[in-house]
Amino acid sequence: GAGVSQSPSNKVTEKGKDVELRCDPISGHTALYWYRQSLGQGLEFLIYFQGNSAPDKSGLPSDRFSAERTGGSVSTLTIQRTQQEDSAVYLCASSLAVGQQETQYFGPGTRLLVL
Amino acid sequence: GDSVTQMEGPVTLSEEAFLTINCTYTATGYPSLFWYVQYPGEGLQLLLKATKADDKGSNKGFEATYRKETTSFHLEKGSVQVSDSAVYFCALSEGFGSARQLTFGSGTQLTVLP
Repeated sequence: GAGVSQSPSNKVTEKGKDVELRCDPISGHTALYWYRQSLGQGLEFLIYFQGNSAPDKSGLPSDRFSAERTGGSVSTLTIQRTQQEDSAVYLCASSLAVGQQETQYFGPGTRLLVL
Repeated sequence: GDSVTQMEGPVTLSEEAFLTINCTYTATGYPSLFWYVQYPGEGLQLLLKATKADDKGSNKGFEATYRKETTSFHLEKGSVQVSDSAVYFCALSEGFGSARQLTFGSGTQLTVLP
């Protein structure tokens, strides 16, 4: 079956603009995660969705970042008023269920460059 | 909070050499432990995992044993190949409360020369 897909694969934007990044999880996976991979910070957790529960936003770096998940499937990560330090690869992952033993499957990422 | 400390890279080995990448962790409870691999130009892939103490995860000739007494999960392979060149990430998941996300180490770049 299809894996996690993300779009766009690359995004170049100007400082101050808003961007939207999309994630399509594996069909049937109830949990969805966003991470950020940057040179200075490594891999950081951003936000987590589980079914229809309120998301865990504890990793979002500022209130310029937000995410939603519609219908328990597709998710969109929005970054408002982008800054140069937002440049990174944004990774989405999904897992079949919740639990520490669950394997998270990652998408290819969206490479964001803020000029 | 939870943390994962990985051996600093980069690591360069000749083909058929023995590989060890050290990983130690700090966690509140009894986490599951993972090794993920990122091949050049590709996304993160699960390499292996272990969910309780003394479990050994293995895949593609790689092994790692969950050692609770030393809080370690070192990755080993007896004979590396050029195709193993990649970045390797150690990670943990506690899976309760707000700690369902993966906490990653900084990654270790491995280059295998023919």
